[in-house]
Amino acid sequence: NAGVTQTPKFRILKIGQSMTLQCTQDMNHNYMYWYRQDPGMGLKLIYYSVGAGITDKGEVPNGYNVSRSTTEDFPLRLELAAPSQTSVYFCASSYSGGLAKNIQYFGAGTRLSVL
Amino acid sequence: DAKTTQPTSMDCAEGRAANLPCNHSTISGNEYVYWYRQIHSQGPQYIIHGLKNNETNEMASLIITEDRKSSTLILPHATLRDTAVYYCILTTSGTYKYIFGTGTRLKVLA
Repeated sequence: NAGVTQTPKFRILKIGQSMTLQCTQDMNHNYMYWYRQDPGMGLKLIYYSVGAGITDKGEVPNGYNVSRSTTEDFPLRLELAAPSQTSVYFCASSYSGGLAKNIQYFGAGTRLSVL
Repeated sequence: DAKTTQPTSMDCAEGRAANLPCNHSTISGNEYVYWYRQIHSQGPQYIIHGLKNNETNEMASLIITEDRKSSTLILPHATLRDTAVYYCILTTSGTYKYIFGTGTRLKVLA
């Protein structure tokens, strides 16, 4: 199993450009998440999904959009990139087995710079 | 959402036990305590979790106080590879969201 795979690993965007961060998992997990991590800080939840077709906002959703058309994929879209979106983005997935089994598995991250 | 408080940083000698504390005084009855670590800038890695009983696995032990207001992660024989940021997280009921704090930066010294 590859686990959670994120692409690209690095990207530089100009202000106002758009891009999609890809995330796919092969563990048949229902739950998927997007986080961002600014330097020296903990991770902040952007969006999450509890299953195909269902998404909801996290702590910091402004400037981002998501979709979940399949169990495996959970892309994150930046429509108008801003310098404040310079960060490391992590995707995660978890088994929906209740609070006792909510172990999240993380991808390696996408490092994004907006200049 | 319940919050956790952890020391900003700690040092530990290689081969010694590393004891990382976490305060979670507002924890509710059905919330679990999860521990993760993040090495360099990699994705966080699951370590252990528990509700009220002490737990042990191949990586670590988790000690939760009887009132559940605090817990301690124990790495029994720390190695240089255990140098990382350690996060103590409380799960939120219903949607399984994690609220990350800034964690404890553990440095294992040779």
